[in-house]
Amino acid sequence: NAGVTQTPKFQVLKTGQSMTLQCAQDMNHEYMSWYRQDPGMGLRLIHYSVGAGITDQGEVPNGYNVSRSTTEDFPLRLLSAAPSQTSVYFCASNPGVANYGYTFGSGTRLTVV
Amino acid sequence: SQKIEQNSEALNIQEGKTATLTCNYTNYSPAYLQWYRQDPGRGPVFLLLIRENEKEKRKERLKVTFDTTLKQSLFHITASQPADSATYLCGGNAGNMLTFGGGTRLMVKP
Repeated sequence: NAGVTQTPKFQVLKTGQSMTLQCAQDMNHEYMSWYRQDPGMGLRLIHYSVGAGITDQGEVPNGYNVSRSTTEDFPLRLLSAAPSQTSVYFCASNPGVANYGYTFGSGTRLTVV
Repeated sequence: SQKIEQNSEALNIQEGKTATLTCNYTNYSPAYLQWYRQDPGRGPVFLLLIRENEKEKRKERLKVTFDTTLKQSLFHITASQPADSATYLCGGNAGNMLTFGGGTRLMVKP
């Protein structure tokens, strides 16, 4: 099993550019989430999904869009990148069953200049 | 707003001692708390989950407690080793959302 796969691993964007961070899981997990992590800070929830076709906002959703058309994929879209979105982004998944923790991807390091 | 707080200062301990990390929550009552380990440049790795009706949970050298009166969870690593050096994250659920504290960096010195 590959687990949670995030692409790309690194990305540099210019202010105003758009891009999509990809996240795919092969564990048939219902729950998927996107977090950002800034230096010295913990994980902040951007958006999450409890199943295909269902998404909801987390703590810091502004500037980001998501969709969940399949169980496996949960892409995160930046429509107009800003320097404040420079961060490391983590995707995570969970089977949606009690007593299970989340499986995290290895992250995407994004720099907006 | 609901919040999870962890000691932002690094915890330095000697090899063989017990490390104790603290996680406090405010303005909500999570049904469960989760603890993760994160190494530099890597994604977090799940360690333990404890429910609000469980006082204590153990896994090998790890022990987690959940005190709903103090609104606190303690995470213990017994017989600590230099390989335990990492950042440890505490997360609590709010409905279907899992939110995290800022993490505590643990340094175990030989």
